[in-house]
Amino acid sequence: SAVISQKPSRDICQRGTSLTIQCQVDSQVTMMFWYRQQPGQSLTLIATANQGSEATYESGFVIDKFPISRPNLTFSTLTVSNLSPEDSSIYLCSVSDRDGSYEQYFGPGTRLTVT
Amino acid sequence: GQSLEQPSEVTAVEGAIVQINCTYQTSGFYGLSWYQQHDGGAPTFLSYNALDGLEETGRFSSFLSRSDSYGYLLLQELQMKDSASYFCAVRDPLSGGYNKLIFGAGTRLAVHP
Repeated sequence: SAVISQKPSRDICQRGTSLTIQCQVDSQVTMMFWYRQQPGQSLTLIATANQGSEATYESGFVIDKFPISRPNLTFSTLTVSNLSPEDSSIYLCSVSDRDGSYEQYFGPGTRLTVT
Repeated sequence: GQSLEQPSEVTAVEGAIVQINCTYQTSGFYGLSWYQQHDGGAPTFLSYNALDGLEETGRFSSFLSRSDSYGYLLLQELQMKDSASYFCAVRDPLSGGYNKLIFGAGTRLAVHP
């Protein structure tokens, strides 16, 4: 199984600024995913981060607002840009440790509060 | 469209058995997964069904009927630590990614003494 860490664990940011969240995996993985979860709500996929190619964004999420980097097979960043209070949420990264795997491993999440 | 339906809340007592149902409607289907999430924690994988039938893992079992687009998670000998949210999720290859998961809204399970 993969072990995932995220930084920061939480942050309070002002409206109009940006926050970059880091996701580090202890092994090389092909696919990394970024999710958003409002407290007490379901997980919504933002995008799939693929090494060596641009991220694939889900409907309702755009690269200008959520730029993603994937410089290698163990690391990814998600930036939430031009923050508004509606962006207050928990952001989670997850990985599949091999192609075709049905199991995803999740990081501990980053709790973002926008004031 | 893609949708997964599961009850929002379930309450049970310690030692009891509880079943959490999930019905799904997706453009494609590879399998149904279940994840557990404690408050403030990360979702953790519980089980996966790709074929019809029952899969048992300790106190937890999961069932799938592909013809009915239905599955359930069965938790036996409930313990206080089972109080958490439980999400069903579908692997949907037709949504653009082989490993992409679509999650249900989650069922909050409260176990009482």
